[in-house]
Amino acid sequence: AQSVAQPEDQVNVAEGNPLTVKCTYSVSGNPYLFWYVQYPNRGLQFLLKYITGDNLVKGSYGFEAEFNKSQTSFHLKKPSALVSDSALYFCAVRDMYTGGFKTIFGAGTRLFVKA
Amino acid sequence: DTAVSQTPKYLVTQMGNDKSIKCEQNLGHDTMYWYKQDSKKFLKIMFSYNNKELIINETVPNRFSPKSPDKAHLNLHINSLELGDSAVYFCASSRQGDTGELFFGEGSRLTVL
Repeated sequence: AQSVAQPEDQVNVAEGNPLTVKCTYSVSGNPYLFWYVQYPNRGLQFLLKYITGDNLVKGSYGFEAEFNKSQTSFHLKKPSALVSDSALYFCAVRDMYTGGFKTIFGAGTRLFVKA
Repeated sequence: DTAVSQTPKYLVTQMGNDKSIKCEQNLGHDTMYWYKQDSKKFLKIMFSYNNKELIINETVPNRFSPKSPDKAHLNLHINSLELGDSAVYFCASSRQGDTGELFFGEGSRLTVL
């Protein structure tokens, strides 16, 4: 079965410092991986995806993610955190065994950026 | 224009009642979904529809009945509400054949008393 794991419930970082939010995946075949962000009382917003190609993918709001096949990881990164980045972040994988009609989400990681 | 819109945003109701949540998307997408987010923020797929046809039913109790009158709409009706149904329900859509990123509505918070 396809799955993603986010090992950290919470990540704390000071504004201006680099941030990393971790994600590991378990899939059969080529992974379709995503990051989404959820602000309080809002729906999820798509940040970026990895389907194929370059292992470093760039997304919205200055975020990027690094796909590492040998470590089965897809960590979200940003070189310089902003207070406004504080939110809940979800890693997700598209389950291609169901024809791509199901996306499975990790448990989420809460990011706190302190001023 | 809101891309994926859900109504109502909040519902508060008694156990045993029936309620509906409506969802509409104006993105021209073929596939629509219902997800449930519990109090711990876990997100779980409930249903997915493609071109009005049910594709995924993720072992949801049959008190939950989705209906898709056309590609742009996916409604969720819940009968005999239970305390455990309290959650935020998100509608989402995606384009068939695309890489599959989801576009979410703002959520409908259901509280069952």
